[in-house]
Amino acid sequence: GENVEQHPSTLSVQEGDSAVIKCTYSDSASNYFPWYKQELGKRPQLIIDIRSNVGEKKDQRIAVTLNKTAKHFSLHITETQPEDSAVYFCAASSPLTFGSGTQLTVLP
Amino acid sequence: DAGVIQSPRHEVTEMGQEVTLRCKPISGHDYLFWYRQTMMRGLELLIYFNNNVPIDDSGMPEDRFSAKMPNASFSTLKIQPSEPRDSAVYFCASSLMGQPTGELFFGEGSRLTVL
Repeated sequence: GENVEQHPSTLSVQEGDSAVIKCTYSDSASNYFPWYKQELGKRPQLIIDIRSNVGEKKDQRIAVTLNKTAKHFSLHITETQPEDSAVYFCAASSPLTFGSGTQLTVLP
Repeated sequence: DAGVIQSPRHEVTEMGQEVTLRCKPISGHDYLFWYRQTMMRGLELLIYFNNNVPIDDSGMPEDRFSAKMPNASFSTLKIQPSEPRDSAVYFCASSLMGQPTGELFFGEGSRLTVL
């Protein structure tokens, strides 16, 4: 089955700085790579996704890049704000296998 | 639509008791998933259904766990007998698009504590 590894497990940045979270996956047949945000005590919610026919996708301050050859994809958050503080999960495959999560803390 | 609805939101029970978690997916969604979230193991897929039929239950940890989907609007996850290591947040999620790679819409989760 699919194996998704996510790094780092924790990340602290100053407000206004950028944050990058990286994931690798094992199944070369995977073609869908979403990112979910989970605030404390809440449900995971989709923030952005990318499919294998696209190398990069951007939505305002959030972007995702995909390198299918290397089997890795990354989440980039620019101009971070305190409300970006949460746990972020990458996922891959069908059905979705999730990474272990990254606790992002944006310091004011 | 009200989204995916799960009940109960919180359940505290004693070891050995039966636990039943319930889920109502978003109307029209054809896939339903049960995930378990713990600090140690993260989000694990337990089982998923397509059009009420179980497709893959390889993530179900033991025979103590069972899941059913008797109709398109209702699913249950049952643990009998429960053990302290079953303590976790159990999420139900549903998706559309005729394949399991559509966006997953999660319920608010059922937090289970087994004493």
